[in-house]
Amino acid sequence: SQTIHQWPATLVQPVGSPLSLECTVEGTSNPNLYWYRQAAGRGLQLLFYSVGIGQISSEVPQNLSASRPQDRQFILSSKKLLLSDSGFYLCAWSPEVAGENEQFFGPGTRLTVL
Amino acid sequence: AQSVAQPEDQVNVAEGNPLTVKCTYSVSGNPYLFWYVQYPNRGLQFLLKYITGDNLVKGSYGFEAEFNKSQTSFHLKKPSALVSDSALYFCAAPYNNNDMRFGAGTRLTVKP
Repeated sequence: SQTIHQWPATLVQPVGSPLSLECTVEGTSNPNLYWYRQAAGRGLQLLFYSVGIGQISSEVPQNLSASRPQDRQFILSSKKLLLSDSGFYLCAWSPEVAGENEQFFGPGTRLTVL
Repeated sequence: AQSVAQPEDQVNVAEGNPLTVKCTYSVSGNPYLFWYVQYPNRGLQFLLKYITGDNLVKGSYGFEAEFNKSQTSFHLKKPSALVSDSALYFCAAPYNNNDMRFGAGTRLTVKP
């Protein structure tokens, strides 16, 4: 069976510090991978998605970046965090891009920028 | 591309009563529609989806959803609500071949 991991679970960082959140998927190959941000327990904002190693599509221009160094590893980064980067970050994967397939979400990382 | 809307921010029901969480869609072509649930401080969990076939789709935890083409709706329903059903519910649809777009979410509160 497939599983998705995210770490850390919670993170408190000062403004201006760097960020690295990691997501890994087990039990599948060549998944589509996604990073979302959820503010105040409401809607999801798609940040990045990837259909393969080294292939990153950005949905929202901001001070965040993403990388996919391995097939089942997706990393969200920032060189300098802003207060507005606080939120709940969710990683997800799906089997393919046909549209019929649901996404499977990780447990999330709660980021607080002070 | 498809889009969905959830007209209610909050739905309150009493335990044991039926519940409905509303979703409407806008689509060109055949719609693919999904429902997810999110419990506090957790990731989203897939509940059910409509691809084609029967208009009534059954999913996890006793939930079902009815696809209504004439009303462009895909409402989530459960005959008898439980307190443990209290959570945030999201309707979703594929935006293009690569990603999915989610509604704003509806917070369901089931009171004992």
